[in-house]
Amino acid sequence: AQSVTQPDIHITVSEGASLELRCNYSYGATPYLFWYVQSPGQGLQLLLKYFSGDTLVQGIKGFEAEFKRSQSSFNLRKPSVHWSDAAEYFCAVGARGAQKLVFGQGTRLTINP
Amino acid sequence: ETGVTQTPRHLVMGMTNKKSLKCEQHLGHNAMYWYKQSAKKPLELMFVYNFKEQTENNSVPSRFSPECPNSSHLFLHLHTLQPEDSALYLCASSQGGTDTQYFGPGTRLTVL
Repeated sequence: AQSVTQPDIHITVSEGASLELRCNYSYGATPYLFWYVQSPGQGLQLLLKYFSGDTLVQGIKGFEAEFKRSQSSFNLRKPSVHWSDAAEYFCAVGARGAQKLVFGQGTRLTINP
Repeated sequence: ETGVTQTPRHLVMGMTNKKSLKCEQHLGHNAMYWYKQSAKKPLELMFVYNFKEQTENNSVPSRFSPECPNSSHLFLHLHTLQPEDSALYLCASSQGGTDTQYFGPGTRLTVL
């Protein structure tokens, strides 16, 4: 069975600083991996996804993530955060051909001015 | 309307009430999902429908009753809920398989 761990429950960074949110997954085969963002009172918006191919994936809003099979990780990065990036971020893993996504507990991002 | 819409956005109900949550997707997708999001817990998948047929029930109590009359609409009928059922209920849709799931804004449910 798949599982996802987001080790950081809450991260605070200053506006303009770089950001890395960690995601580790457990799955026996090559997974499908996703990062979603949720603003307060809203649903989840897809930032990016990895299915196959290039392990560095570009997403919306200037985010990118890198799939590292050897480390079972799919960390999310952004070179310079904006105040509007304050939100909760969820990593999710899915098995090929299956519809069930397993989500991590989320990382809440706070931006200091 | 575009994407996935959910109504109502907020709902307060007593434990003896019966209410329904509605989800509609305008993306031409074949699969629809209900998730429960509680504070300090990961998103929990509740139900999956493919082409109107239920393909997953994640051991959800019978006080939650889903209905999918067509590929564009999904309902969650609620009756005799408990206070611990208070949560954000999210609907999603996808083309199927492990295709990207697109989420609605959710219904914030409070059970008194």
